[in-house]
Amino acid sequence: DQQVKQNSPSLSVQEGRISILNCDYTNSMFDYFLWYKKYPAEGPTFLISISSIKDKNEDGRFTVFLNKSAKHLSLHIVPSQPGDSAVYFCAASAWDDYKLSFGAGTTVTVRA
Amino acid sequence: SQTIHQWPATLVQPVGSPLSLECTVEGTSNPNLYWYRQAAGRGLQLLFYSVGIGQISSEVPQNLSASRPQDRQFILSSKKLLLSDSGFYLCAWSGAKGEQYFGPGTRLTVT
Repeated sequence: DQQVKQNSPSLSVQEGRISILNCDYTNSMFDYFLWYKKYPAEGPTFLISISSIKDKNEDGRFTVFLNKSAKHLSLHIVPSQPGDSAVYFCAASAWDDYKLSFGAGTTVTVRA
Repeated sequence: SQTIHQWPATLVQPVGSPLSLECTVEGTSNPNLYWYRQAAGRGLQLLFYSVGIGQISSEVPQNLSASRPQDRQFILSSKKLLLSDSGFYLCAWSGAKGEQYFGPGTRLTVT
């Protein structure tokens, strides 16, 4: 049972524009959410996280928004750069759990 | 700072052969450790996790096993590989807030 869903397998965006990646979850016990970036043949790199007590967290070009009532979060990348072309994974965990549940990933392609 | 190592980086093994993948973490004590697999075009599947030496939890029934003989060492094994074991294997450790940090991965091809 997929508890974290990324319904868009791919996203193409022009360099300099905003990339918006979406993620939905079903488990109401999740209270910590993360985004990872992955290049081919490499391990995922932790990008940014947000706890359920917040609805927004910002780090440079990356901003994560959390809508708990809708069980939805999104990652905004502004401005998008060619090096942002990668697969992005959304992940979530509950406060008493050691494990992360991952979405299937969204492949972002930034066009010059 | 903390670093995580995995080896080998790539591996080609025949069906029925054994497997041993190793992961070590530096710069932290008593980390939670994880093994994931990413099949081609798929997301990350948690295979095993460990909260301490000798403590292994399995997430999915499969042809693989894991061991943690030392605090910062995590080993993924199989006695007889199947074609379906092919994939990209990732080791990770978790930080204080629960975020996980991944190693570089091992590309396993079973032929």
